[in-house]
Amino acid sequence: GNSVTQMEGPVTLSEEAFLTINCTYTATGYPSLFWYVQYPGEGLQLLLKATKADDKGSNKGFEATYRKETTSFHLEKGSVQVSDSAVYFCALSNNAGNNRKLIWGLGTSLAVNP
Amino acid sequence: NAGVTQTPKFQVLKTGQSMTLQCAQDMNHEYMSWYRQDPGMGLRLIHYSVGAGITDQGEVPNGYNVSRSTTEDFPLRLLSAAPSQTSVYFCASRYYHHYYEQYFGPGTRLTVT
Repeated sequence: GNSVTQMEGPVTLSEEAFLTINCTYTATGYPSLFWYVQYPGEGLQLLLKATKADDKGSNKGFEATYRKETTSFHLEKGSVQVSDSAVYFCALSNNAGNNRKLIWGLGTSLAVNP
Repeated sequence: NAGVTQTPKFQVLKTGQSMTLQCAQDMNHEYMSWYRQDPGMGLRLIHYSVGAGITDQGEVPNGYNVSRSTTEDFPLRLLSAAPSQTSVYFCASRYYHHYYEQYFGPGTRLTVT
């Protein structure tokens, strides 16, 4: 079946440090891949997406590349800020038409210290 | 646009009580869903709806009912609350054809004692 595995947190970094949050997946067919972010006290919001192999999603300085050969979609940011402190969720969408559902990772908590 | 709104933000129930979590969206989204978020379990889908009058079960539907009488509203009913239903509940919506982007409400934190 389909599944998503994320690195466990919490991840604690200093401001301006480089961030990588690992995400690997298992899926049949050709899923779409997503990163969602949940800021403290808020609901989740889409951060970036990639719908086919070798696509790179990017937003707010974050990037992730859809690597089919390694079944990975790692999230990276070159220089994190305190405001990036949040929980990050990797997710995939199975190839089931418009009724498709999201399969979620467990989330990785990031704390950025000034 | 208010987006996806949920009420209440916090709720404490006693075991056996019933209640309804409200969810509304003003984006004319066809697809709406309810998730629960628990530590170490991630997000789990409870129920979803692809349009008014149509609902279906997700991964963890037991103990919950939903209905969808309008496009805007998708309430979640707890029939007889149990401590295992202590969780944070999120409502989400999207356009049916835009599978790639869901919009989430701010959540309801429910404690069952």
